[in-house]
Amino acid sequence: DGGITQSPKYLFRKEGQNVTLSCEQNLNHDAMYWYRQDPGQGLRLIYYSQIVNDFQKGDIAEGYSVSREKKESFPLTVTSAQKNPTAFYLCASTHQDSQTQYFGPGTRLLVL
Amino acid sequence: GNSVTQMEGPVTLSEEAFLTINCTYTATGYPSLFWYVQYPGEGLQLLLKATKADDKGSNKGFEATYRKETTSFHLEKGSVQVSDSAVYFCALRGPTGFQKLVFGTGTRLLVSP
Repeated sequence: DGGITQSPKYLFRKEGQNVTLSCEQNLNHDAMYWYRQDPGQGLRLIYYSQIVNDFQKGDIAEGYSVSREKKESFPLTVTSAQKNPTAFYLCASTHQDSQTQYFGPGTRLLVL
Repeated sequence: GNSVTQMEGPVTLSEEAFLTINCTYTATGYPSLFWYVQYPGEGLQLLLKATKADDKGSNKGFEATYRKETTSFHLEKGSVQVSDSAVYFCALRGPTGFQKLVFGTGTRLLVSP
């Protein structure tokens, strides 16, 4: 089955710790995205990548970092600089000829 | 810049009632418009889309028409089911080049038996 997988489903972070969220897609999509979802708010774009080895900041990039070493993978690191990381994180991808974004199942990050 | 405004929820309906969730947008040119649905604890799923004025997107009994004159893309369903309970997001994508999606804040729908 083609799709987007995110792991883990739940992630706990201690104060001062960096954590990495995984996002993998086997749809052969070129562009990938990370969004943050908070209760009562829409999705906010953290980072996006149109091609391998290239990525751009979205609207709320501070305290986050990404890499895009492979087409299939776009991991997101939540650094200790992100002071309010508790949220639901969604990864998405798009084929370059399509306007439709497809989403993964999400990772819920909680702070201990 | 581009923006999307949705009606606030929750919208509470009885089964078989008619549903309307309002969505209006601000954008330059002719954006593409989308409705996504999110079930509890899951990611977003594309429900329907429209890419040009007067287009009607439809799926699973849901419909929305791209109205350029009123800059709207309201979601409708003639008879809702309990299984339609979810959060619905309206979104737009600009017409040219690489354009990120801009989402509304989402509208929660609760359908009771």
